[in-house]
Amino acid sequence: GQQLNQSPQSMFIQEGEDVSMNCTSSSIFNTWLWYKQDPGEGPVLLIALYKAGELTSNGRLTAQFGTTRKDSFLNISASIPSDVGIYFCAGFRGSQGNLIFGKGTKLSVKP
Amino acid sequence: NAGVTQTPKFRVLKTGQSMTLLCAQDMNHEYMYWYRQDPGMGLRLIHYSVGEGTTAKGEVPDGYNVSRLKKQNFLLGLESAAPSQTSVYFCASSSRPPGTVSNQPQHFGDGTRLSIL
Repeated sequence: GQQLNQSPQSMFIQEGEDVSMNCTSSSIFNTWLWYKQDPGEGPVLLIALYKAGELTSNGRLTAQFGTTRKDSFLNISASIPSDVGIYFCAGFRGSQGNLIFGKGTKLSVKP
Repeated sequence: NAGVTQTPKFRVLKTGQSMTLLCAQDMNHEYMYWYRQDPGMGLRLIHYSVGEGTTAKGEVPDGYNVSRLKKQNFLLGLESAAPSQTSVYFCASSSRPPGTVSNQPQHFGDGTRLSIL
């Protein structure tokens, strides 16, 4: 089946540092989404990207839709302890329901 | 302001037992989805519905059935539970498909943790 390769799998950073993670695929996607999941809860949408090359910010978060339409990037600036969680990318190719998720990046922030 | 509510939150079953997971949304959304989340696997779509009375298969539909008799409810059934179905199940809803340029996100419930012994 379709796969999204998300990296890194995990990150251990110091509070205040910037974070970068990415998602790549062998297939083209029309939409890229980035979610955050806290323990015991469902994913929460952070940023949605709909056009190749699009750069969108949400507070300290910035995400980009790669120009090849096969990748996307998420950056978090000046990390804080509440940024801890698992970040998922997801891609959508245009069929009715199939949103394909990456395996997640687990972020740990040391105060 | 409930959003997406899943019941039950936890359940332990024996192999071969059946059960139904209920998802309810109060946002009048047309689209509803069932995902399973396994360690290291991300979320995978089981079944989805694009409106009342309609259902469709997702990426991993085998062993599951669904029904959407009412717009606000989406039921996920396991007819004969197997240990491989031990997972965390998430329901989601959206007013439009996730690829629509309308910034309508998928709203997720808090999950049902299911263990099959």
